[in-house]
Amino acid sequence: GQNIDQPTEMTATEGAIVQINCTYQTSGFNGLFWYQQHAGEAPTFLSYNVLDGLEEKGRFSSFLSRSKGYSYLLLKELQMKDSASYLCAVMDSNYQLIWGAGTKLIIKP
Amino acid sequence: DADVTQTPRNRITKTGKRIMLECSQTKGHDRMYWYRQDPGLGLRLIYYSFDVKDINKGEISDGYSVSRQAQAKFSLSLESAIPNQTALYFCATSDLRRGDTGELFFGEGSRLTVL
Repeated sequence: GQNIDQPTEMTATEGAIVQINCTYQTSGFNGLFWYQQHAGEAPTFLSYNVLDGLEEKGRFSSFLSRSKGYSYLLLKELQMKDSASYLCAVMDSNYQLIWGAGTKLIIKP
Repeated sequence: DADVTQTPRNRITKTGKRIMLECSQTKGHDRMYWYRQDPGLGLRLIYYSFDVKDINKGEISDGYSVSRQAQAKFSLSLESAIPNQTALYFCATSDLRRGDTGELFFGEGSRLTVL
């Protein structure tokens, strides 16, 4: 079967750095997405990786290793507004998105 | 105005009632999706449509039906609602033309409670 694993919850301190991991097993691979979702709101796109390596976008970076079935989202200089759930999703060989359950990130002052 | 609009945003209904959730988009995307989200389970695909004449079941289509009335409109129906269909429902669109990543653009969500 296909599955995406990510931690259920993480806690970090304002101003610090946090890394959210995602491992996947899917039928084929056509890219990995990270979305941010604030409570009760719609998910919003953060990043897309299809080749191995690091993609940097401001305070957020996303890394992919296809051989290991592994990705992480790195958030720097954490702000209170970064408190949200972070969803990892993989596009399989049929171009369907397989979703992880999400990681709830709690930021403390 | 939102590019992907869902109505209603909130609905409380009773077991056995028929419910329709509507979605319209101004992004010009061919692909539209209906997802439900439950705490701790992530997003699960109910139905998707790649164009007006194309309808496909997702992983949890039982108890649901859809209609793609136009490129911009995709409706989800619960013919006879039951309490375990209480969830947050999202409509989404995407495009997979050359150069696009296929990222999804979500509506604001419809919270459905079935008593």
